[in-house]
Amino acid sequence: EPEVTQTPSHQVTQMGQEVILRCVPISNHLYFYWYRQILGQKVEFLVSFYNNEISEKSEIFDDQFSVERPDGSNFTLKIRSTKLEDSAMYFCASSEASGNQPQHFGDGTRLSIL
Amino acid sequence: QKEVEQDPGPLSVPEGAIVSLNCTYSNSAFQYFMWYRQYSRKGPELLMYTYSSGNKEDGRFTAQVDKSSKYISLFIRDSQPSDSATYLCAMSAQGAQKLVFGQGTRLTINP
Repeated sequence: EPEVTQTPSHQVTQMGQEVILRCVPISNHLYFYWYRQILGQKVEFLVSFYNNEISEKSEIFDDQFSVERPDGSNFTLKIRSTKLEDSAMYFCASSEASGNQPQHFGDGTRLSIL
Repeated sequence: QKEVEQDPGPLSVPEGAIVSLNCTYSNSAFQYFMWYRQYSRKGPELLMYTYSSGNKEDGRFTAQVDKSSKYISLFIRDSQPSDSATYLCAMSAQGAQKLVFGQGTRLTINP
């Protein structure tokens, strides 16, 4: 069964450094998403991306965050200057063409900021 | 009031029992309702997806939505130890991209 893949599985970064999290969505999907889950808390929406632009974003997704689809298969989340509170699991998800279709998640990247 | 509320548990039941998991919500705009299963160190895995009110069955799993009460349920029949996981409810409004998740309920099925 097709799946969303994320790399790396664990990223350790010094505070203030830039980090890029990578995702390969399911190949025929056109909507892409990033969520995060701080330890012990709910999964929270960050951003959705369709047709090479952001279609929706949350208050968490401030100027420190950016997303990109650099080629036909990858989808990335960049955090420019990491803070301690950015430590979390980051999940990528994708869905088929139209909105409100089921979203399928990867296994996440655990980001640890020191 | 939180947008989506879910009892975090933990919930522990014997193998073979019927399990009932629930979420309540406050936003009447929610139209799409999902249940995800999350094993330790894994991402959420979609179990059930329903639109508006009613029931949906898939094997041992039944999802129910009662929009008048703003209440959704997931029933697991003939529970197995392999069903031990955290179960997350999630929902979205018509045309919205984001899913709003509950806290997740940690379920253990004891052999």
